[in-house]
Amino acid sequence: GAVVSQHPSRVICKSGTSVKIECRSLDFQATTMFWYRQFPKQSLMLMATSNEGSKATYEQGVEKDKFLINHASLTLSTLTVTSAHPEDSSFYICSARDAIQETQYFGPGTRLLVL
Amino acid sequence: GNSVTQMEGPVTLSEEAFLTINCTYTATGYPSLFWYVQYPGEGLQLLLKATKADDKGSNKGFEATYRKETTSFHLEKGSVQVSDSAVYFCALRGQGGSEKLVFGKGTKLTVNP
Repeated sequence: GAVVSQHPSRVICKSGTSVKIECRSLDFQATTMFWYRQFPKQSLMLMATSNEGSKATYEQGVEKDKFLINHASLTLSTLTVTSAHPEDSSFYICSARDAIQETQYFGPGTRLLVL
Repeated sequence: GNSVTQMEGPVTLSEEAFLTINCTYTATGYPSLFWYVQYPGEGLQLLLKATKADDKGSNKGFEATYRKETTSFHLEKGSVQVSDSAVYFCALRGQGGSEKLVFGKGTKLTVNP
């Protein structure tokens, strides 16, 4: 099946720094990618939807200036957590939609810990 | 708006037991329905899906039937294994294919030997 990769898989950073997470679709083109946040023992919360070449659409309550999303190509989207704080510590998961099959494939997730 | 309700866990079973995880949904029209599985420390993997009423999705011994009349998509497996221990998420995508996925809260399954 289709593969979506995320990098890094785990990151620890100091409060106030910025962290960039990459999401790549490895064997298909994804015009649409999604970024989710998952809190312990809870479901996935959609943060934003990004379309290649256009601005991301953020869900209500998600700060667009704090969570910067760039979808520069059909295989790459990045999420940058700016000026991270301990409350941003979470599991971030991206997914990519295969435009032909209309199936959404998920990356393995990135665990962010802000100290 | 669209929503998904899953039975709350955790669910603990012995190996070879029968599994049912209930899922009901609220949506207009004819959504597509999905079950995703998340193994410890990993991202979500698509387990099975159904895109129209009465369709049955199946994979790895798991099955779920799209029931329009009861707005349900219950997950079943006749004989669970220890390796099935994971969190299972029911999800839907609204009619049209371009809408976002809406997830249930997830059900944690633990299978003991």
